Amino acid sequence: ELKVEQNPLFLSMQEGKNYTIYCNYSTTSDRLYWYRQDPGKSLESLFVLLSNGAVKQEGRLMASLDTKARLSTLHITAAVHDLSATYFCAVDIDRNYQLIWGAGTKLIIKP
Amino acid sequence: NAGVTQTPKFRILKIGQSMTLQCTQDMNHNYMYWYRQDPGMGLKLIYYSVGAGITDKGEVPNGYNVSRSTTEDFPLRLELAAPSQTSVYFCASTRQGVGYGYTFGSGTRLTVV
Repeated sequence: ELKVEQNPLFLSMQEGKNYTIYCNYSTTSDRLYWYRQDPGKSLESLFVLLSNGAVKQEGRLMASLDTKARLSTLHITAAVHDLSATYFCAVDIDRNYQLIWGAGTKLIIKP
Repeated sequence: NAGVTQTPKFRILKIGQSMTLQCTQDMNHNYMYWYRQDPGMGLKLIYYSVGAGITDKGEVPNGYNVSRSTTEDFPLRLELAAPSQTSVYFCASTRQGVGYGYTFGSGTRLTVV
């Protein structure tokens, strides 16, 4: 069964701290996506990772992909309140560009 | 470009009623998808389409139907609405090729009472 597992599912942290969200997947794939969803809103693309060892950074967020370990990480550096959201990872299973989604990590950053 | 447009944004249905959720994209994307998102959960694929005239079932198709008569439009039909269909519905599209990701619509919040 194809699975994408995120952990933690819920994370409450203080501003200024660092933390990492993990995304494990069960199928062979070298294409992984990270999305952000604000409460009551749609999903917004954050990062597209297309090969083993890929690393992308945008502001305080950095995503990486290890296809051999079937693991992607989303690292948050010196968190700020504006990063509070739910973060989803999704894996491209190479079948009509279908994505298999993780359950999401709800991130709350307290001042 | 408008991207992916969904209508309506909100709807309340009574049990047994039917409705169509509209989805239109103006990016000439061949691939379109319908997802539902239950509270606090991830996305579940209902139906998808790889081009006009071609549709296929996803993970949770029961109680829904789709059609794709044009590249732009991919409506989702709910027949005989049930409380279990209370959810937020997202339409998404992508172009052919690796690594483009999805463009999502703003969602339709549906409540069945």
